[in-house]
Amino acid sequence: GAGVSQTPSNKVTEKGKYVELRCDPISGHTALYWYRQSLGQGPEFLIYFQGTGAADDSGLPNDRFFAVRPEGSVSTLKIQRTERGDSAVYLCASSLTGTVFYEQYFGPGTRLTVT
Amino acid sequence: AQTVTQSQPEMSVQEAETVTLSCTYDTSESDYYLFWYKQPPSRQMILVIRQEAYKQQNATENRFSVNFQKAAKSFSLKISDSQLGDAAMYFCAYRSANKGAQKLVFGQGTRLTINP
Repeated sequence: GAGVSQTPSNKVTEKGKYVELRCDPISGHTALYWYRQSLGQGPEFLIYFQGTGAADDSGLPNDRFFAVRPEGSVSTLKIQRTERGDSAVYLCASSLTGTVFYEQYFGPGTRLTVT
Repeated sequence: AQTVTQSQPEMSVQEAETVTLSCTYDTSESDYYLFWYKQPPSRQMILVIRQEAYKQQNATENRFSVNFQKAAKSFSLKISDSQLGDAAMYFCAYRSANKGAQKLVFGQGTRLTINP
């Protein structure tokens, strides 16, 4: 079946602009995660959704970052007033439920470049 | 907070040989899960192997096995009979067994090169 998909694959934007990154999880997966991977680093957790609600948003770096999942499926990560330090690969993952027994399946990521 | 450390930024091995990637972690929890993920140039993270902390037996998946030393907080990955397709970034990751803690905590990664 289809895996986790993310669009766009690459996004270049100017400093100060607003961007939206989209994640389509595997059908039926109730848990959805966003991670950020800076160059040469491991992924860092941003936010976790269980259904439509954000169960843990402790990884969001500041109030310029916001994510939604209005119907419990597709999620959008929104970044306002982008800064050059926001440049990274943004990874999305989904799992059947939020329990640790179920594997997190990752998408290919969106590479965001802020110029 | 939990931390994961991978002290080998790069490793290389001859095709068909065995290589071991190191990982240490820090936690005050007694129940948790450890993972090794592979990230090829396509960027998609792929689960290689997982280990439950309450299990004493080391996990094995075909050519991949781990050496889990709970007291030492060490979790190394051994790849036997290395193949060209094993070349990738490898990340060690920690996940709490606490019901409310769902995130993965990753190390910095090790780039593995396979020499033909």
